[in-house]
Amino acid sequence: QVQLQESGPGLVKPSETLSLTCTVSGDSINTYYWSWIRQPAGKGLEWIGRIYTSGSTNYNPSLKSRVTMSVDTSKNQFSLNLNSVTTADTAVYYCARGHVAEPHAFDIWGQGTMVTVSS
Amino acid sequence: QLTQSPSSLSASVGDRFTITCRASQGISSYLAWYQQKPGKAPKLLIYATSTLQSGVPSRFSGSGSGTDFTLTISSLQPEDFATYYCQQLNSSPYTFGQGTKLEIK
Repeated sequence: QVQLQESGPGLVKPSETLSLTCTVSGDSINTYYWSWIRQPAGKGLEWIGRIYTSGSTNYNPSLKSRVTMSVDTSKNQFSLNLNSVTTADTAVYYCARGHVAEPHAFDIWGQGTMVTVSS
Repeated sequence: QLTQSPSSLSASVGDRFTITCRASQGISSYLAWYQQKPGKAPKLLIYATSTLQSGVPSRFSGSGSGTDFTLTISSLQPEDFATYYCQQLNSSPYTFGQGTKLEIK
């Protein structure tokens, strides 16, 4: 079955760049939309943005100036960079797959990775 | 913006449970529902307002259109106690409701 696994540093200093990678196993990354979503502790879900396997992207306007996403189809991976982080960026970060019939509903999720922004 | 009500609710096994999700502007039928348990990723239950995701029990159902939507669980089971989120799929950014926490009475 399809599985997603987030990886990256669990601790990032303020003003630096948060970098995460999502590795897709069990299926090809091609022909799907892939998103990042985050969730601060005890709070709700925030969609960060999505990337298609062609490389086209769509970011949440609230984060657009700081976000870059990329995809590496040869490695079946996609990535998130969030620059100039502050403590407000501390959250669990999830990668997720867009549903084949409804690309902005997320049918497969990674387990999530906690990222803390702190000096 | 999506507003869920109630924010939290206590119920018993076997009860019928309904959550409302209201959109600040019309989103046609572009709405999904998720279930999230503590320490776990959300799980897609329903998309396109009423289409059950594969493997989701038939006691879950969704309805609505435009600005008002509901998620109903016909008879609560012990494994249904969780937090539920709606999400609009109509336009970017694809926002979520604030969540409804369902607790055991």
